[in-house]
Amino acid sequence: QKEVEQNSGPLSVPEGAIASLNCTYSDRGSQSFFWYRQYSGKSPELIMSIYSNGDKEDGRFTAQLNKASQYVSLLIRDSQPSDSATYLCAVKASGGYNKLIFGAGTRLAVHP
Amino acid sequence: NAGVTQTPKFQVLKTGQSMTLQCAQDMNHNSMYWYRQDPGMGLRLIYYSASEGTTDKGEVPNGYNVSRLNKREFSLRLESAAPSQTSVYFCASRDQQNGYTFGSGTRLTVV
Repeated sequence: QKEVEQNSGPLSVPEGAIASLNCTYSDRGSQSFFWYRQYSGKSPELIMSIYSNGDKEDGRFTAQLNKASQYVSLLIRDSQPSDSATYLCAVKASGGYNKLIFGAGTRLAVHP
Repeated sequence: NAGVTQTPKFQVLKTGQSMTLQCAQDMNHNSMYWYRQDPGMGLRLIYYSASEGTTDKGEVPNGYNVSRLNKREFSLRLESAAPSQTSVYFCASRDQQNGYTFGSGTRLTVV
């Protein structure tokens, strides 16, 4: 079992819709969770971090965390074609020196 | 501009050749990391350095060595390149509050 799992996609949504990206993790001691966006041929860029159970909103993005279910999600409201990218879920490993474990990413395609 | 700078951006090596990937950050971060990214496998940690003078193995360290030259610089060396090391390599650094800041990547092909 992979430590951080994501559906590889592609997830295809129409412009203006809500895109829902999901991630599960195996390390029960993890306390910090991150979502990165990666455009093709570019480096990952941090878009959201979440540390407590519940929702965290930042503009069109909402991160949701459920530690009991070991589940993290990212909602993108009013999706735009510019949101088309691969979204990487990352989990800070417990007990280590701030190591992040990444999922393989979900490719999102927003079509006009 | 503040950030993480990687060189070179592209490199083609012949099997058995050696090279060093350079990484420097100007954000005064303590922790620095080297990842490789392969299709369908996400980012995998090669080596990391929690602070100047310390380095530790990550998930896939075989075939690589690293040097934390000072607080700013963290280099990755391939002593004898193999085709399996064809990948995109990312350097990253981290502060206490946020996630990683990544460099622009090095696309390495070993033929």
